[in-house]
Amino acid sequence: EPEVTQTPSHQVTQMGQEVILRCVPISNHLYFYWYRQILGQKVEFLVSFYNNEISEKSEIFDDQFSVERPDGSNFTLKIRSTKLEDSAMYFCASRITDRVVSPLHFGNGTRLTVT
Amino acid sequence: GDSVTQMEGPVTLSEEAFLTINCTYTATGYPSLFWYVQYPGEGLQLLLKATKADDKGSNKGFEATYRKETTSFHLEKGSVQVSDSAVYFCALPYGNNRLAFGKGNQVVVIP
Repeated sequence: EPEVTQTPSHQVTQMGQEVILRCVPISNHLYFYWYRQILGQKVEFLVSFYNNEISEKSEIFDDQFSVERPDGSNFTLKIRSTKLEDSAMYFCASRITDRVVSPLHFGNGTRLTVT
Repeated sequence: GDSVTQMEGPVTLSEEAFLTINCTYTATGYPSLFWYVQYPGEGLQLLLKATKADDKGSNKGFEATYRKETTSFHLEKGSVQVSDSAVYFCALPYGNNRLAFGKGNQVVVIP
């Protein structure tokens, strides 16, 4: 069964550094998402992306964050200047349609640790 | 805003025991409701859903009934197996594109 793949599985970075988290969504999916989960807290929506544009973003997704689909397969999340509070598990997800009942397919996540 | 609340803390139980994980929601109207599961080392995956009040979602022996009177969508399984050990997330859609998740409950099934 096709999967969403994320790399790396664990990224350690120093405060102030830029990080890029990578995702390869399922190939025929059109809608892409990033979520994150800070340890002990809820899984939070960051951003949704469709047709090479951000379709919705949360209040968390400030100017330090950006997303890109640089080619036909990758979907990346960039954090320009990481802060300690960016430490979290970041999940990429995709789905075929944006209908409410259409399930999200998640990757295994990237654990980001900012020191 | 729309949100879900899951009971606090991990759940540890023996094989063949009955499992209940509580989920209550706050929403305008009657949104679809979901349970997602995350097995060790894997991403979240949809376990079951209910699209309207009084619907029962079911999959892999798990069930959840959408109860608007109590604004709840509790997850149940009559006889758990070690392979059910995972983290379970309740969720509902809000906005145009978002899912609001609960904190998740770690379930550990002991043989």
